[in-house]
Amino acid sequence: DAKTTQPTSMDCAEGRAANLPCNHSTISGNEYVYWYRQIHSQGPQYIIHGLKNNETNEMASLIITEDRKSSTLILPHATLRDTAVYYCIVRVPLNAGGTSYGKLTFGQGTILTVHP
Amino acid sequence: ETGVTQSPTHLIKTRGQQVTLRCSSQSGHNTVSWYQQALGQGPQFIFQYYREEENGRGNFPPRFSGLQFPNYSSELNVNALELDDSALYLCASSLFGESGRAEAFFGQGTRLTVV
Repeated sequence: DAKTTQPTSMDCAEGRAANLPCNHSTISGNEYVYWYRQIHSQGPQYIIHGLKNNETNEMASLIITEDRKSSTLILPHATLRDTAVYYCIVRVPLNAGGTSYGKLTFGQGTILTVHP
Repeated sequence: ETGVTQSPTHLIKTRGQQVTLRCSSQSGHNTVSWYQQALGQGPQFIFQYYREEENGRGNFPPRFSGLQFPNYSSELNVNALELDDSALYLCASSLFGESGRAEAFFGQGTRLTVV
């Protein structure tokens, strides 16, 4: 029941910006967009999240379109260690009362390969 | 490092047996969620615990059950193991109640193999 669609795979040259797109056309007004990445079979690593505004932290930038139907994760200077599966996720409420953190709905993710 | 720890890291069980997986949440977090990740797939939501009660569940049968303790640590129990239960089980710790701190942090997972 993933609410996002992502390209299956992408390549990026080391040192260049990696721009990972995501579509979430059925997102509701109070649902956040999250990005995580997973290397091999380790636990997913939190990258960034946002609701309406663009966000930036020490790892990445998140650009959300005005209609909130899509977003782009930007890794400004990709390194070989950024090779991973990147998941674009919508956090969905568990109940109508908003009395829970909600669940992260993972899709298949994008396999990003950074090459020298 | 996220501060979320899971044990054991690997486990092999026989079909029909029962298993208990454990998770210690990050300090200051009050919510624990469990996810199952089959090989080559994204994680799938099993259930979530807040204030020691289950407050949401995914499409998993009742033989998947859990507990949350007063210190916010948690257990996932699976009865009558089936071969398809072989997967990476992930625990995610989060804080409900402060929207500005809305990250969920995952542990490294428990790799369960059912033979």
